[in-house]
Amino acid sequence: EVQLVESGGGLVQPGRSLTLSCIASGFSFGDFAMSWVRQAPGKGLEWVGFIRRKGYGGTTEYDASVKGRFTISRDDSKSIAYLEMNSLKTEDTAVYYCARGGMVRGDSLDYWGQGTLVTVSS
Amino acid sequence: DVVMTQSPLSLPVTLGQPASISCRSGQRLVHSDGHTYLNWFHQRPGQSPRRLIYEVSNRGSGVPDRFSGSGSGTDFTLKISRVEAEDVGIYYCMQGTHWPYTFGQGTKLEIK
Repeated sequence: EVQLVESGGGLVQPGRSLTLSCIASGFSFGDFAMSWVRQAPGKGLEWVGFIRRKGYGGTTEYDASVKGRFTISRDDSKSIAYLEMNSLKTEDTAVYYCARGGMVRGDSLDYWGQGTLVTVSS
Repeated sequence: DVVMTQSPLSLPVTLGQPASISCRSGQRLVHSDGHTYLNWFHQRPGQSPRRLIYEVSNRGSGVPDRFSGSGSGTDFTLKISRVEAEDVGIYYCMQGTHWPYTFGQGTKLEIK
C-alpha cells in the first residue's frame, strides 16, 4: 500500500525557516518524481514544486511565488522528500501536501499525504 | 501562467441525479509529446485531495465508473452519472502541460 506521511509543520515567525519531510512507503521511491502542493486555509490548491527522479537528473521546478526561497530535495536511500522553506512569509501559511508524481513527470499526483500545517505568524 | 476556469463554482445536486463540471484553460493543453495533461481531483471536507481522472479521460485506480472525463484543446468536462452522498466536496481540475502547473478554483458539490 502506497503511503505518504508529511511532518515538520508548525508555527514559525516571518523570515524564519522550516523544513518539511515526506516519508514514502509501499513503492519504489526512487522511480518517481515527488511533488509538493499547498492549500491556504479555506482556499484552493496551489503547486509549490516538484523534484524529478535521479534517472531524469533529479532536477527541480518551482512556482514563482516560492522560487529562490524554497528547496525541494530527496534522499532515495531513506525514501524521503524534503521541502526546505526559507524567508517565510505570512502568505506561506497553508497545509502542505506531498504527492507522488509520475515516473517521468511531476503532475501525476496519484497518491497524497495527509498534509502538515505551516503557520507563519509573529 | 495558464489560468484554469471552472464552472459552476457551486453545484447542488439531488442524489441519484447526474452532475457536470466544466473546466476551461487559457491555453491549449496538448503537450509537445502529444498527450493532454488534464487531471481532476476530489477533496472531501477535512481530507486530502484524491485523483479521479488523469490525461482527460482515464480513471484513476479504484475510481468508480460513474465518474468520466472528456474534452480537448481548452475545454474539459467531468461528469458524474449518478451522484452519491460520498461525492460531496470540492472538485478541482489541474493542468500539467505547461509549467507552472495550475489548478482551477474548485467546484463545491453539495446534496440538495
